[in-house]
Amino acid sequence: GAVVSQHPSWVICKSGTSVKIECRSLDFQATTMFWYRQFPKQSLMLMATSNEGSKATYEQGVEKDKFLINHASLTLSTLTVTSAHPEDSSFYICSARDLSLAKQPQHFGDGTRLSIL
Amino acid sequence: SQQGEEDPQALSIQEGENATMNCSYKTSINNLQWYRQNSGRGLVHLILIRSNEREKHSGRLRVTLDTSKKSSSLLITASRAADTASYFCATVITGANNLFFGTGTRLTVIP
Repeated sequence: GAVVSQHPSWVICKSGTSVKIECRSLDFQATTMFWYRQFPKQSLMLMATSNEGSKATYEQGVEKDKFLINHASLTLSTLTVTSAHPEDSSFYICSARDLSLAKQPQHFGDGTRLSIL
Repeated sequence: SQQGEEDPQALSIQEGENATMNCSYKTSINNLQWYRQNSGRGLVHLILIRSNEREKHSGRLRVTLDTSKKSSSLLITASRAADTASYFCATVITGANNLFFGTGTRLTVIP
């Protein structure tokens, strides 16, 4: 079945560092990718939706200059947390979907745990 | 917020028992999906039920949908210790493509 690969799975870095997270669809073309954020023992909150070749659509309250999303190809989307601070520490999860396959669900990556010191 | 509500928040049962989780949502939906998440991992899709369907089965899973009450339930029969995880319902609202997740139920199955 379809697989979404997310990398890295775990990042620890100093405050002020920018961190890039990659999300790849391995065996299908992901016309749309979604980025979620999850705090401990809480649900997933949608941050933004990215469509290949166009600007991402951010949810209310999500700073687009803070969380840069690039979806340059049909198999790769990246999320860059710029100048990360401790409050950005969270679990970030991407998902991908081929909208041409209307009956297919979203496929999720295994997530990236980001810890900012 | 369009996030759904799930109850119970946490559920602890003995192996072999059935587990029932409930989900309520707020708006008109295209479909409702259930996902499973092991601790610190991504989500695994379990089952999708469309707005014109009332019940769906997949192995030990049974999902119901009542659009008049804007609610759904997930039943796991003959639970196993390996079923221990968090379970989330997620809705695709009419006219949108993204998922809105419920608050989740943490299921613990005691061997």
